[in-house]
Amino acid sequence: DGGITQSPKYLFRKEGQNVTLSCEQNLNHDAMYWYRQDPGQGLRLIYYSQIVNDFQKGDIAEGYSVSREKKESFPLTVTSAQKNPTAFYLCASTNKGQVGYGYTFGSGTRLTVV
Amino acid sequence: SQQGEEDPQALSIQEGENATMNCSYKTSINNLQWYRQNSGRGLVHLILIRSNEREKHSGRLRVTLDTSKKSSSLLITASRAADTASYFCATDAYSSASKIIFGSGTRLSIRP
Repeated sequence: DGGITQSPKYLFRKEGQNVTLSCEQNLNHDAMYWYRQDPGQGLRLIYYSQIVNDFQKGDIAEGYSVSREKKESFPLTVTSAQKNPTAFYLCASTNKGQVGYGYTFGSGTRLTVV
Repeated sequence: SQQGEEDPQALSIQEGENATMNCSYKTSINNLQWYRQNSGRGLVHLILIRSNEREKHSGRLRVTLDTSKKSSSLLITASRAADTASYFCATDAYSSASKIIFGSGTRLSIRP
């Protein structure tokens, strides 16, 4: 079955440590996105990529980095520069070629700073 | 920045009743989408309505769009316990529709 796989489901980060969240899709979607969700809040866009080897900053990109070396993969690194990284992180993808197509989401990674 | 804002923030109704959620947005859009999120899970796409459409149905869901008022509503008829979730509207922020912006969501609780 096609879908988006996020791993790990839970992640614990020590102060000053970089961590990488994985996002893999087998939907052959062009565009991929990373969102952050804080408790009881909506989703805020961190980074997005519409094509391999290209990505753009979203509304809250500071302290995060991404890469898009393969169409299927869009990993997110939470760097030590992100001062409040504890949140629920969601990856999504869509078929850019189909205008107005809905997004497919992964099941999320819950990151906690310890 | 948040393009869409849902109203109410929380809604509790009896099973079998209808639930109505509203979404307002700020700028012109190409389309508006509604998503459901069960607690601690990813979002599930429910329905998309284009800017030239006024109403759309999918099963027990009915979505309306009023571009003159920059608002949309999601109606869930004959609610069930399984409808308990958060519901988000999302709009594309630019004419290229390269990304969508989510509202803050409505938390719907269905009482048995």
